Amino acid sequence: ILNVEQSPQSLHVQEGDSTNFTCSFPSSNFYALHWYRWETAKSPEALFVMTLNGDEKKKGRISATLNTKEGYSYLYIKGSQPEDSATYLCASTMYSGGGADGLTFGKGTHLIIQP
Amino acid sequence: GAGVSQSPSNKVTEKGKDVELRCDPISGHTALYWYRQSLGQGLEFLIYFQGNSAPDKSGLPSDRFSAERTGGSVSTLTIQRTQQEDSAVYLCASSFTRRDWNEQFFGPGTRLTVL
Repeated sequence: ILNVEQSPQSLHVQEGDSTNFTCSFPSSNFYALHWYRWETAKSPEALFVMTLNGDEKKKGRISATLNTKEGYSYLYIKGSQPEDSATYLCASTMYSGGGADGLTFGKGTHLIIQP
Repeated sequence: GAGVSQSPSNKVTEKGKDVELRCDPISGHTALYWYRQSLGQGLEFLIYFQGNSAPDKSGLPSDRFSAERTGGSVSTLTIQRTQQEDSAVYLCASSFTRRDWNEQFFGPGTRLTVL
């Protein structure tokens, strides 16, 4: 995988249901994996940064896991609420000559929570 | 200010006109990035600054695009002779440094529409 890929592109979920989506990234020279939430008319906001294989991060009802060997991360939302509606962006950082080398973003998963 | 600011928030222009977009990063952040998101696409990296210099201009889509940063702070992205395909949301982000996996803080974006 040369690029960061996210699936699905869009997702409609009923309020109260749980959901998850995927980010695939290059596993070679991996440095860090970032998740951002981008709500309409607002700035993208960082959710998590993960660096270690097997990392799991949690913030309220949202959690994320990381598999650096196979190059994927899952984002989970438990008990979806309307305020979770947003585009969720994944970005990977690769290791380059002594440090990380910026972020490569996926196209995002557009999540719509239906009341 | 507390966060990254961008101006204008919206810009409608006619094909062939020049536009200038402004970004004011978080004070003390040495790295500054420009991205754009066209309809249906992911965040596309354009250019980054470390201080006032731009070591990575690889993302600029054509020579109609240029950017500068003065005083290690404010940056302007200039698009000359705008084309309809330049229509996009232009996002600016800043971080403490680039060669690290420090979080990038995003501004609210400028929505550019070229008629």
